[in-house]
Parts: sequence; C-alpha cells; structure tokens
Amino acid sequence: EVQLVESGGGLVQPGGSLRLSCAASGFTFSHHYMDWVRQAPGKGLEWVGRTRNKANSYTTEYAASVKGRFTISRDDSKNSLYLQMNSLKTEDTAVYYCTREDPYSSGYLDSWGQGTLVTVSS
Amino acid sequence: EIVMTQSPATLSVSPGERATLSCRASQSVSSNLAWYQRKPGQAPRLLIYGASTRATGIPARFSGSGSGTEFTLTISSLQSEDFAVYYCQQYNKWPPGTFGQGTKVEIK
Repeated sequence: EVQLVESGGGLVQPGGSLRLSCAASGFTFSHHYMDWVRQAPGKGLEWVGRTRNKANSYTTEYAASVKGRFTISRDDSKNSLYLQMNSLKTEDTAVYYCTREDPYSSGYLDSWGQGTLVTVSS
Repeated sequence: EIVMTQSPATLSVSPGERATLSCRASQSVSSNLAWYQRKPGQAPRLLIYGASTRATGIPARFSGSGSGTEFTLTISSLQSEDFAVYYCQQYNKWPPGTFGQGTKVEIK
C-alpha cells in the first residue's frame, strides 16, 4: 500500500523558515516524480512544485508564487521528500500535501498524503 | 497559465440521485484532465485521469467525459460516502498543473 506521511508543519513568524518532510513507503520511490500541493484556508488546491527522478537529473520546477523562496529536494536512499520554505509570508499559510505523480510522469497525482499544516503568523 | 473553472460551486443532491459536475478550461487541455475527491480530514484521492479513466479502486458509479475545454464528472447514484469536495486539474500544460476551485457536493 502506498503511504505518504508529511511532518514538520507548525507555527512560524513571517520571514521565518520551515522544513517539511514526507516519508514514502509501499512503492519504488526513486522512480517517481514527486510534488508538493497546498491548500490555504477556504481556498482551492495550489500546486507548489515538483522534483523529477534521478533519470531526469532530479530537476525541479516551482509555482511562481514560491519560486526563489521554496526548495524541493529528495533523498532516494531514505525514501523521503523535502520542502524547504524560506522567507515565509502570511499567504503561505496552508495545509501542505506530499503527492506522487503517475508512473508515466504525465502530471496527474495518483497518491496523496494527509497533509501538514503550516501557519505563518506573528 | 491555464485557468480551470468548475461549476456549480455547491451541488445539493439526495442520496441515490445523479450528480453532474462541470469543469471548463480556458484553453484546450486535450484529454489531460484529472478529477480528485477530498473529504474533511482525509487525503485527497484521485478518481479519474485522462478525462475518462477511473483510477484503481474507484467505483463504476464515477465516470468522466469530455475533451478540449469542457469536462464532466458524473456520479450515477450518490452514496453517503460521496459527499465531498471535487476538484479538476489539467496537466496538459505543465507546470503548473492548475486546479479548479472545487465543487462541494452536499446532502439535499
């Protein structure tokens, strides 16, 4: 069974930093592109960014709203995905979901974690 | 960026009735369209990809149709566990894989 378990959320002040982790199990993590998606209170889903797999040089892409502030990384030896968030703004307050892209890297997200809440507030 | 618009925002349906949800893209996304279900406190779940292919384990009462800019998710006979928020997502022009704002299906 595919499992994605996020951790690391919490309360942080504007301008601060936070690192989210996602522990993956039940599938060959190294094969898949992995994405982060977020949902702000009362809002819809927003794609945050993705990391490709080793075969595609672990390249990353980001939404314009987080580019330059957020960094996605992965450790295939630990089956883990990370999201380093710097220069946080109040509008970054959201539940952050770790997601797995489909086996053909088409772009749809076939597995999701339960999410971890990040609150940016003074 | 492709904008996805879902309608209606809220759909009130009685158990056993049919529910029809719409999703429109601001430009063609071919058949690169997915539907997700999100229930409170649960991880979102993939229902449909490729506009009409059910994901593994998804009941046959869920069906998707459409291509280009107009898409529909139909739930043929609503069960109690189907009351949730549904999102469409295009992945034709990526990134970003833009989502619709969601349709809440509530009990009438």
